[in-house]
Amino acid sequence: QKEVEQDPGPLSVPEGAIVSLNCTYSNSAFQYFMWYRQYSRKGPELLMYTYSSGNKEDGRFTAQVDKSSKYISLFIRDSQPSDSATYLCAMKGPGAGGTSYGKLTFGQGTILTVHP
Amino acid sequence: GAGVSQTPSNKVTEKGKYVELRCDPISGHTALYWYRQSLGQGPEFLIYFQGTGAADDSGLPNDRFFAVRPEGSVSTLKIQRTERGDSAVYLCASSPQGSDYGYTFGSGTRLTVV
Repeated sequence: QKEVEQDPGPLSVPEGAIVSLNCTYSNSAFQYFMWYRQYSRKGPELLMYTYSSGNKEDGRFTAQVDKSSKYISLFIRDSQPSDSATYLCAMKGPGAGGTSYGKLTFGQGTILTVHP
Repeated sequence: GAGVSQTPSNKVTEKGKYVELRCDPISGHTALYWYRQSLGQGPEFLIYFQGTGAADDSGLPNDRFFAVRPEGSVSTLKIQRTERGDSAVYLCASSPQGSDYGYTFGSGTRLTVV
């Protein structure tokens, strides 16, 4: 079993829809949770970052973390065709020696298409 | 530079050959990471550097893979005796010292072994 599970989709929605993307994880040591967006032939781009349970909002994006259930979500409101991309969840535990560095463990990625 | 730069953007090599992939991180970023992304998968961790030293190389798949960062800035990922299974996009990322935030990725090098 992978440490991070993410439904690969693909997910296709009409413009203006609310999109829900989800990941589950098994490693309780994970403390930092991120969502990345990746366009075709580009590197992942950081969208949201959080380290506590609860919701974090940034414009049309809301990241939600439930550490008790080991479940994280990303919600996209008023989705746009420009949101069409692969969305990757990523997590990391505490770094060595108490630093904040450390490797990211990614989900498989969900392919999202928003059609006009 | 403004972002993480990776060269070449594409590399086609024959099975058994040696390849070098270069990463130029954001100026001043002390942490540098290499990931490998296969088609339809999320990136998988290979190695990370804190300054010049490899702080964690647990993701390197075998001894054909090696990475260096001699002056604490540019890094080179080296693959010996390439195999068709090494075909993937190799991503580099960097982050500043003490950062609690996610990392900035480059666009990757697409390696194809034929």
